[in-house]
Amino acid sequence: AQSVTQPDIHITVSEGASLELRCNYSYGATPYLFWYVQSPGQGLQLLLKYFSGDTLVQGIKGFEAEFKRSQSSFNLRKPSVHWSDAAEYFCAVAQQTSGSRLTFGEGTQLTVNP
Amino acid sequence: EPEVTQTPSHQVTQMGQEVILRCVPISNHLYFYWYRQILGQKVEFLVSFYNNEISEKSEIFDDQFSVERPDGSNFTLKIRSTKLEDSAMYFCASSGEIYGYTFGSGTRLTVV
Repeated sequence: AQSVTQPDIHITVSEGASLELRCNYSYGATPYLFWYVQSPGQGLQLLLKYFSGDTLVQGIKGFEAEFKRSQSSFNLRKPSVHWSDAAEYFCAVAQQTSGSRLTFGEGTQLTVNP
Repeated sequence: EPEVTQTPSHQVTQMGQEVILRCVPISNHLYFYWYRQILGQKVEFLVSFYNNEISEKSEIFDDQFSVERPDGSNFTLKIRSTKLEDSAMYFCASSGEIYGYTFGSGTRLTVV
């Protein structure tokens, strides 16, 4: 069964600092990989996704993620964090098949200090 | 950009009552899903639906739950005899033949 681990439950960074959120997955083959962001009481917004090809993926709001097959990781990065980035971030995986379920990690809560 | 629409945004119900959560998936999508997020927890898969039948369901999706596509546009989740622990945010999603999920904004269900 596929699983996703986000080792950091809570991260605090200063505004303007760089950010890296970790995500490791367990799956027999290369899955589809996603990062979602959720503000309090809100829905899930897709930041970026990896299906195949270039392992460095660019997303919205200045985020990027790098797929590393050897480490089964898909870490999310941003070079300079803005106060509005404070939210919960979820990594998710899915089997490379149409209609397959998404499996989410536990999430990382990001706090941004002024 | 096409959206998945969920109604209502918030529903309060008495324990033991039945609720129906409604979703309008993206019109040319073929796969439909329901997910649940209990407050402060991760998002959990409930069920997927394809070609007018359930294609996969999780262990959470027991006999208390059912899904239906009553017409060409709506996709519903029915919860019979709600319990306090059913209080959660319920997300509908849809995807097309080429994999690409779109989530709705969710229905917050509060069971009192």
